Amino acid sequence: AQRVTQPEKLLSVFKGAPVELKCNYSYSGSPELFWYVQYSRQRLQLLLRHISRESIKGFTADLNKGETSFHLKKPFAQEEDSAMYYCALSDGNQFYFGTGTSLTVIP
Amino acid sequence: DGGITQSPKYLFRKEGQNVTLSCEQNLNHDAMYWYRQDPGQGLRLIYYSQIVNDFQKGDIAEGYSVSREKKESFPLTVTSAQKNPTAFYLCASSIWQGEGYTFGSGTRLTVV
Repeated sequence: AQRVTQPEKLLSVFKGAPVELKCNYSYSGSPELFWYVQYSRQRLQLLLRHISRESIKGFTADLNKGETSFHLKKPFAQEEDSAMYYCALSDGNQFYFGTGTSLTVIP
Repeated sequence: DGGITQSPKYLFRKEGQNVTLSCEQNLNHDAMYWYRQDPGQGLRLIYYSQIVNDFQKGDIAEGYSVSREKKESFPLTVTSAQKNPTAFYLCASSIWQGEGYTFGSGTRLTVV
């Protein structure tokens, strides 16, 4: 069963516009959720975890258990935000990744 | 269906023993990666390979070894030199380095 769904494969926004990358999950317990980012030709990096409730590079993500979502948001997109973004869920035993969303910020 | 298969899902090892984790992909991907995840932390790169018979150390390669004899396979050996091997290990592959990953479901290794 698909645990993590990222419905948008490609997303383009203009610089300065708000951006939201969608992530929905299916899990009955209390999962740990992550967003990872991969900039062009670079390694995968952890962007944020829901348990830490941090804001990294202006991005935030709120866990909505009612909607089983963990959407990644940023109020004003920058060109350097262009990258591949992966949502991931850990149930404590296994990791489940979404298929990724490629974000392009248009200057 | 194409994908990455990691086996086993759970693995127990006695201290002082080497153990090998399997990672196989049928996606015809050139690059393969091994990551480690510890509780409360993000993934950390152990080793990666861009082509057959070639691999590079990641950020935490000490105590690990890999081989890439076939494009489809990238096994990871956790040696007795790895001081804290209990962790979750995740394998991934991509068409070429830095261009979109496909992930396995992971192997949880416990040293007893």
